[in-house]
Amino acid sequence: DGGITQSPKYLFRKEGQNVTLSCEQNLNHDAMYWYRQDPGQGLRLIYYSQIVNDFQKGDIAEGYSVSREKKESFPLTVTSAQKNPTAFYLCASRTGLAGGLNGELFFGEGSRLTVL
Amino acid sequence: QKEVEQNSGPLSVPEGAIASLNCTYSDRGSQSFFWYRQYSGKSPELIMSIYSNGDKEDGRFTAQLNKASQYVSLLIRDSQPSDSATYLCAGPPGGGADGLTFGKGTHLIIQP
Repeated sequence: DGGITQSPKYLFRKEGQNVTLSCEQNLNHDAMYWYRQDPGQGLRLIYYSQIVNDFQKGDIAEGYSVSREKKESFPLTVTSAQKNPTAFYLCASRTGLAGGLNGELFFGEGSRLTVL
Repeated sequence: QKEVEQNSGPLSVPEGAIASLNCTYSDRGSQSFFWYRQYSGKSPELIMSIYSNGDKEDGRFTAQLNKASQYVSLLIRDSQPSDSATYLCAGPPGGGADGLTFGKGTHLIIQP
């Protein structure tokens, strides 16, 4: 089945530790995105990548880093510099067909990070 | 960045009635809008997309886009308890930026 796989689904981290969230897609989509969601809040864009070896900061990139070495993969690292990392992290991808840059996004199941 | 705004609710609707969800946006140049459904603890699921002025129907769902008034709405006919969820409205962030900007969502409760 085509889709977006995020892992792990749940993750606990001690303060001061870096953690990497995995996102893999087999939809052959060019563009991939990382969003963060806090309780009662909408989704906020962290980073996005339109093409391999290129990525752009979103609205809340501080304390996060990404890489895009393969079309299928877009991992997100939450660093110790992120002051409030406890959140629900969502990876998404876009076809680039209808809607162009602002076409529909498809989401993975999410990774819930809790900092102890 | 352009805004997409929704009433957070909760919006309570009796089973079998029509649920009406609304969203306003600030970027007059926006062309495409989307409605996502999100169950508690789950990721958003795309349920409707609309790219032109007017109505678009898909089963029990109708999306409406009014560019002159800058609002988007979602109607759910014959509401079912399984429709209880948070509905997110999404549109372009404006300025030619990539991706979508999301409203905070409307929490819909269908009362049996």
